[in-house]
Amino acid sequence: QSALTQPPSASGSPGQSVTISCTGTSGDIGGYNYVSWYQQHPGKAPKLIIYEVNKRPSGVPDRFSGSKSGNTASLTVSGLQVEDEADYHCSSYAGSNWVFGGGTKLTVL
Amino acid sequence: QVQLQQSGPGLVKPSQTLSLTCAISADSVSSNSVAWNWIRQSPSRGLEWLGRTYYRSKWYNEYAVSVKSRITVNPDPSKNQFSLQLNSVSPEDTAVYYCARGKFYALDIWGQGTLVTVSS
Repeated sequence: QSALTQPPSASGSPGQSVTISCTGTSGDIGGYNYVSWYQQHPGKAPKLIIYEVNKRPSGVPDRFSGSKSGNTASLTVSGLQVEDEADYHCSSYAGSNWVFGGGTKLTVL
Repeated sequence: QVQLQQSGPGLVKPSQTLSLTCAISADSVSSNSVAWNWIRQSPSRGLEWLGRTYYRSKWYNEYAVSVKSRITVNPDPSKNQFSLQLNSVSPEDTAVYYCARGKFYALDIWGQGTLVTVSS
């Protein structure tokens, strides 16, 4: 059982927006602004798309955005594209330790 | 660009030691601004951070509580790589193992992954 809670699935049509939640505790998400999000296509390694709650690494489209409120973080994908279909994992620093969510499978209908 | 290349056996017998190596290119294991991590992924446990090593005038290691008694992460500056050793493995340790660079409290560069199966 993962430390952070994500919905197992999410879906949207091309062009729409979808938001994925990630719930933790005051010991991880609520205690630090060090939430990150990873995109993982089948058979591939995870790819960092959001760090420090809402920052995007170079090369990540601005369609991906992150936010946090209390013990819950969120990833929003706007203007969905077919290539966005993947698993999305949240993670948080938890004091000399990192915790992950169980992952959300995003389907682009 | 920074790349991580993993190597090591894909099959380990129960009670033995799992050993993997991660070779770094275009960065340094002795860098003062990043850390070098091991993570694993299995269908039952999802992604699980295992441990890391980093250099800040001296070497430091941090390990997940779940594996702390069995894990060692070692840097090898002479070869610019770092390694994972996990002792006394059981079938529950079967997973895809990844090495990754840690920067800004996130994992920004990942290795290709190694499927390690624990079976006799």
